[in-house]
Amino acid sequence: KAGVTQTPRYLIKTRGQQVTLSCSPISGHRSVSWYQQTPGQGLQFLFEYFSETQRNKGNFPGRFSGRQFSNSRSEMNVSTLELGDSALYLCASSLAGIEQFFGPGTRLTVL
Amino acid sequence: SQELEQSPQSLIVQEGKNLTINCTSSKTLYGLYWYKQKYGEGLIFLMMLQKGGEEKSHEKITAKLDEKKQQSSLHITASQPSHAGIYLCGADYRSGGTSYGKLTFGQGTILTVHP
Repeated sequence: KAGVTQTPRYLIKTRGQQVTLSCSPISGHRSVSWYQQTPGQGLQFLFEYFSETQRNKGNFPGRFSGRQFSNSRSEMNVSTLELGDSALYLCASSLAGIEQFFGPGTRLTVL
Repeated sequence: SQELEQSPQSLIVQEGKNLTINCTSSKTLYGLYWYKQKYGEGLIFLMMLQKGGEEKSHEKITAKLDEKKQQSSLHITASQPSHAGIYLCGADYRSGGTSYGKLTFGQGTILTVHP
């Protein structure tokens, strides 16, 4: 079974721009969770989608949004990028929100 | 303070030595996950523990969950350079029956194994 894939792997943007990251879960998994990892704050939960519905959301500003498609692929979007948004963004897939398997991550650098 | 505390923050051992990493929760755990991460890469799933007293092993890595103390320990026997990396524990805290895909992570333990 193929693992979780994330694209792109690396991204460089400038302040004020917006960015879209993509995550394809393991086949058959319907839950996708997104996390932000930074040296200062560690791994923090952004949101989770299940069957195209956002079921849970972390404490991030509204600039961070996401969606899930009918094939369970998920995207997250960050608008009006700030320097502090530079991070490794990880997505994880699971059957129903437990036993999460992570992708390789997208490294976002904001200049 | 952190909901989930890992100790130690870093660990340097000689190849062949045993080591233990601890993860302590300030809240009631529904489940406890252990992951390994190479710097800048994704997390590799190691084990999930749900029941108090549960113990799981995979190759030379053993994890236990102490429900009374709300604590888990990860033990590596006869460490090898391939064990080097960042070990993260993740907690599933459930309220109202479900956590909806949210894990709360500790700050991680950086393990270095010298050959």
